[in-house]
Amino acid sequence: AQSVTQLGSHVSVSEGALVLLRCNYSSSVPPYLFWYVQYPNQGLQLLLKYTSAATLVKGINGFEAEFKKSETSFHLTKPSAHMSDAAEYFCAVSGPPGGTSYGKLTFGQGTILTVHP
Amino acid sequence: GAVVSQHPSRVICKSGTSVKIECRSLDFQATTMFWYRQFPKQSLMLMATSNEGSKATYEQGVEKDKFLINHASLTLSTLTVTSAHPEDSSFYICSAWTGGPYEQYFGPGTRLTVT
Repeated sequence: AQSVTQLGSHVSVSEGALVLLRCNYSSSVPPYLFWYVQYPNQGLQLLLKYTSAATLVKGINGFEAEFKKSETSFHLTKPSAHMSDAAEYFCAVSGPPGGTSYGKLTFGQGTILTVHP
Repeated sequence: GAVVSQHPSRVICKSGTSVKIECRSLDFQATTMFWYRQFPKQSLMLMATSNEGSKATYEQGVEKDKFLINHASLTLSTLTVTSAHPEDSSFYICSAWTGGPYEQYFGPGTRLTVT
């Protein structure tokens, strides 16, 4: 079984400040981890993914995340927030290739990011 | 990048009627499509996995006779909500997957409102 917990349903930062969105996972198999962004009334866009290669993953729009197995975490960061980053962010987990959970995403509860001028 | 479309984007229907939602991969072939639903201010919940040419696999708690899924081709999957009720009102999102290297491409979603 797999699960994802996102700490903080709402995060508010000032423009130019560091963005940190927290994600912890639980998985009985080596996880594949993802961060998605969702704008209002739209589908999801992939920001980045961890698929058992480098533990520090760089994504689009200046976001990055670090896989820490010892902490079962995959926190999303961005050094300097832009107004356009305001959206909802979802962390998700899937199993590796060959497993029964491969391809099936389990999402966290989501974190709404607000960016203040 | 790969594009997935959904039609319609919004639909309002009366209680007891059926509604069909289409999910298309526009520039790639998807061996697998997933259907999710998202209630207001909540996360996405996987409803079913659809493989081309075979029966869909439904997640626990999802009624297969109520949510009919057809994946007739490598570019099209449909979700039919039968005998819709107000509690079926939700945001339905599909995703398409080639199977590897791993990445799912999400559609823009369909907002269903049942009155």
